[in-house]
Amino acid sequence: DTGVSQDPRHKITKRGQNVTFRCDPISEHNRLYWYRQTLGQGPEFLTYFQNEAQLEKSRLLSDRFSAERPKGSFSTLEIQRTEQGDSAMYLCASSFVQGAYGYTFGSGTRLTVV
Amino acid sequence: AQSVTQLDSQVPVFEEAPVELRCNYSSSVSVYLFWYVQYPNQGLQLLLKYLSGSTLVESINGFEAEFNKSQTSFHLRKPSVHISDTAEYFCAAAYGGATNKLIFGTGTLLAVQP
Repeated sequence: DTGVSQDPRHKITKRGQNVTFRCDPISEHNRLYWYRQTLGQGPEFLTYFQNEAQLEKSRLLSDRFSAERPKGSFSTLEIQRTEQGDSAMYLCASSFVQGAYGYTFGSGTRLTVV
Repeated sequence: AQSVTQLDSQVPVFEEAPVELRCNYSSSVSVYLFWYVQYPNQGLQLLLKYLSGSTLVESINGFEAEFNKSQTSFHLRKPSVHISDTAEYFCAAAYGGATNKLIFGTGTLLAVQP
């Protein structure tokens, strides 16, 4: 297993368009997380899954955002009607259920909304 | 509100000099603490963690951090830095044993100069 993979690495989109990001976690990990990181800030929690169940969503995750993990493996994060404020690095991470052992992060998808 | 504070946004230091990156967390009965490192265009990598037990934790590349409950701090130290240590360092906390969500600080850029 080569770690957590995220695709694409970079995405430039026009305001109002929809975008979808994919995350492939470490196969043995039950938990999958999405974080958002803006310039000069630390990552902020968006949502997490345990297997295929989405167990918590941050209030940062507006109605335009939706995340899925259909078979408890890869996950997708979709943003509808993108806004310039959505420009950020979107990070995916995975861990065992006992997340205290630490997360493994992917390299992120950098979204630029123009 | 639960938070993590990294007061120093940037720490310049000469190669082979000691360094301390400061991190303070909001007081809590139960907290797990982490340091992550982020190299340019890469995801976050776990550097070290404090869960319980010995208050001094070490990483494999010479960093150490000490959990200080009375001062609510978890400062990161290295006695002698290398150019390759140049990176962004993030302190993070999981409160109340809730490892499904990490609260990150804003990060400290460690800039090692020759």
